[in-house]
Amino acid sequence: GAVVSQHPSWVICKSGTSVKIECRSLDFQATTMFWYRQFPKQSLMLMATSNEGSKATYEQGVEKDKFLINHASLTLSTLTVTSAHPEDSSFYICSARDRTVSTDTQYFGPGTRLTVL
Amino acid sequence: SQKIEQNSEALNIQEGKTATLTCNYTNYSPAYLQWYRQDPGRGPVFLLLIRENEKEKRKERLKVTFDTTLKQSLFHITASQPADSATYLCALDMAGGYNKLIFGAGTRLAVHP
Repeated sequence: GAVVSQHPSWVICKSGTSVKIECRSLDFQATTMFWYRQFPKQSLMLMATSNEGSKATYEQGVEKDKFLINHASLTLSTLTVTSAHPEDSSFYICSARDRTVSTDTQYFGPGTRLTVL
Repeated sequence: SQKIEQNSEALNIQEGKTATLTCNYTNYSPAYLQWYRQDPGRGPVFLLLIRENEKEKRKERLKVTFDTTLKQSLFHITASQPADSATYLCALDMAGGYNKLIFGAGTRLAVHP
């Protein structure tokens, strides 16, 4: 089955530093990848949609200069949280759509727990 | 305003019984509705997708119904097992464009032996 990986699985950083999270589709090519954020006991909130080779589309209220997304290839998207602050601490999850499959299933990564001190 | 509502309180049932989870939405017109399972500290795992023109979908012990008039989906797990204990999320798939998913907050299911 389709597998999506994320790296790292958890990260602790100091306030003001930048953190990069990678999302990879391991056995399929993803035309579109999505980045979500989930706070404890809350739903997944879509942050942005990225397509390979083009700029990401950000949801309302998400700062594109703070959450930099790069979708450099059909198997890799990265999310960089710039100048992280404690309020950015959250569970970040990516998902990917398989370009060869006609269904609308998104395959989710295992998530990355970010803690900003 | 647009809302997706799932029971916020945990659902506790006994092993072997049928679990029924509810997803209601307002001011959306989804093309599809999807159900996911999420375990603590993990990403969601896809379970079932049902289209707006489908009334019911089944997969092994799982059954989903979709009533676009009531704007409601019901998710059933028959012959529940302790391994089914998890949080179950419903997601509206708005289709068109990039198939953006809008998630409910989820309902935690606990199946007791």
